[in-house]
Amino acid sequence: EVQLLESGGGLVQPGGSLRLSCVASGFTFGTYAMSWVRQAPGKGLEWVSAIRGSGTITFYTDSVKGRFIVSRDNSRSTVYLQMSDLRAEDTAVYYCAKDNNALDYWGQGTLVTVSS
Amino acid sequence: DIQMTQSPSTLSASVGDRVTITCRASQSISTWVAWYQQKTGKAPKLLIYKASSLESGAPSRFSGSGSGTEFTLTISSLQPDDFATYYCQQYHSYSYTFGQGTKLEIE
Repeated sequence: EVQLLESGGGLVQPGGSLRLSCVASGFTFGTYAMSWVRQAPGKGLEWVSAIRGSGTITFYTDSVKGRFIVSRDNSRSTVYLQMSDLRAEDTAVYYCAKDNNALDYWGQGTLVTVSS
Repeated sequence: DIQMTQSPSTLSASVGDRVTITCRASQSISTWVAWYQQKTGKAPKLLIYKASSLESGAPSRFSGSGSGTEFTLTISSLQPDDFATYYCQQYHSYSYTFGQGTKLEIE
């Protein structure tokens, strides 16, 4: 059974940093890309970032380029999202998803709140 | 980036109805489209991939069609469990993009 478990969310001040983690199980982790998708309160889904299975190629939506870094540790079946210079508009539930082109499995999400 | 325009934003319907949701892409994306269902407070679930392929475990009353720039999700006979929000998504290229969502409400 595929499982994805995010952690690391919380309350952070504007300009602060946070690192999200997503531990995967139930599939050959290093074979698949992984994506991060966020959802602001009461809003729709927004794709944020992706990383190829090898970890050598990454992608970002324009609004987080230069502030967020996605990485992975295939030995730990874990993908990370390092977020810095956080802004109020980054407030959202962050989901990690198995990226099989379509996002076929999702974690339960972790809430990031950026507020003073 | 490829824009996905989804309509309607809200849809009122009754159990047993046939409903259709539409997504239009800003450029041709072949059949690189997925559809998701999301219930309040839960993660999205994949229903349809590659425009018309039913994800394993998804009910057969869900179907998808389209190619190029026009795509539809159809629910053949609404069930009480289907009242939720639905999103289309293109995966033709990164940045992936989602439609704005369609909230399916009980009439």
